[in-house]
Parts: sequence; structure tokens; C-alpha cells
Amino acid sequence: KNQVEQSPQSLIILEGKNCTLQCNYTVSPFSNLRWYKQDTGRGPVSLTIMTFSENTKSNGRYTATLDADTKQSSLHITASQLSDSASYICVVNTGNQFYFGTGTSLTVIP
Amino acid sequence: EAGVVQSPRYKIIEKKQPVAFWCNPISGHNTLYWYRQNLGQGPELLIRYENEEAVDDSQLPKDRFSAERLKGVDSTLKIQPAELGDSAVYLCASSLVPGSGELFFGEGSRLTVL
Repeated sequence: KNQVEQSPQSLIILEGKNCTLQCNYTVSPFSNLRWYKQDTGRGPVSLTIMTFSENTKSNGRYTATLDADTKQSSLHITASQLSDSASYICVVNTGNQFYFGTGTSLTVIP
Repeated sequence: EAGVVQSPRYKIIEKKQPVAFWCNPISGHNTLYWYRQNLGQGPELLIRYENEEAVDDSQLPKDRFSAERLKGVDSTLKIQPAELGDSAVYLCASSLVPGSGELFFGEGSRLTVL
């Protein structure tokens, strides 16, 4: 069964600290994996895309990794800011369908 | 360039009443999606359009939900009659590349059924 699981479900960190969000998937076939950021009351916005051949990709303070062998991805946030408070959703694409994780709710406190 | 536009942003109705949501995708995006998102959950696909054709409506509760995209541009999602369990955020998304491209989401329509 095609599934995307994210952990932790929620996370609270102090401003300035780093954190890592996890995404495990069983989706097959694999085309790409995206991390989306969803601010409260807004629609998700893509942060980064990972294809099969990519291991690491950075977008500012966000760094995504992909291990296609173990079917795991992570999103590392460096030097967190209050504006990073949001839900982060992992989405795996087969080339024809999108499979969504349930998201990790991140709260950054001052 | 304008993003995906949805309306209304918020809607409160009593159960058994009808409700409709409207979505205008990004210009040139032929693929349009309607998702439902419950609190603390990821979006769940309701229906996907390629131009005016519904290519995946397997998860759409057809007894009370209907959707249309008559001219292959904007789309309407209707619920009639609404039930308490329909309270959720209804997200519209569009993409340039069918099935594999980046999804561009609207800000959603939050429905509360009393």
C-alpha cells in the first residue's frame, strides 16, 4: 500500500535552534518527493523537490535529503526563526499520483 | 502572475444546506485538483481534472459532492446536502505538468457545518 509517514507529529523548538523532520514512504514507483510548508490558514507552498538521483538539496536555511534505497527523506531547518512555525508536509509523486503525509507541526518559540 | 484563487475563504452553514466553492487556477495550468484537508491531516484528493475532463474522481463522495470544470479553466465544487463531517478546508490546486509537476495551492475555503 502506498503510504507516506512523517515524524514527529509536532515539535516545539526555541528560536535559533536547528531541527530535523522525517518522512518515510512506501510509494512505488517513485518519481519525486517534495516538501511543502503550510502556514496556518494558507495553502501549502513547495520548499524543495528531490528526484531519485539527488541526495541533498538546500533552499536557504532548509536542507532536504533523500535516501531512495531506504525510502526516507528528511528536512533540516537551520537557525530557526519564528516565521518557520508552520506545518511541513512530505509529498511523494509516482509520476501520475501524489501521496501526502499527515505533516509535522512545527512551533518556534522566542 | 496571479496564483490560484479560491472563494469564499470561509463559509458557515447549517447541516443539510448546500454550499459551493469556486477555484480559478493559474493561467495555462490544465490540471486542476480539489483536496479536502481535515485539521492536523494532509490533503486528501477529491477530484482531478485534465482540462475539462475528470480523470480521477474515485474519492469523491458522489452521493452529495459534485464538481464541474465546464470550459477547462475555473471549477466549482458543490456539496448538497452538507453534513457535520464535511467541516474541513477545501483546497484547490493546479499544476502545469499533469501528474508530476509542482502543485500550486490556493488559500483554501474553510467550511464549518453546524
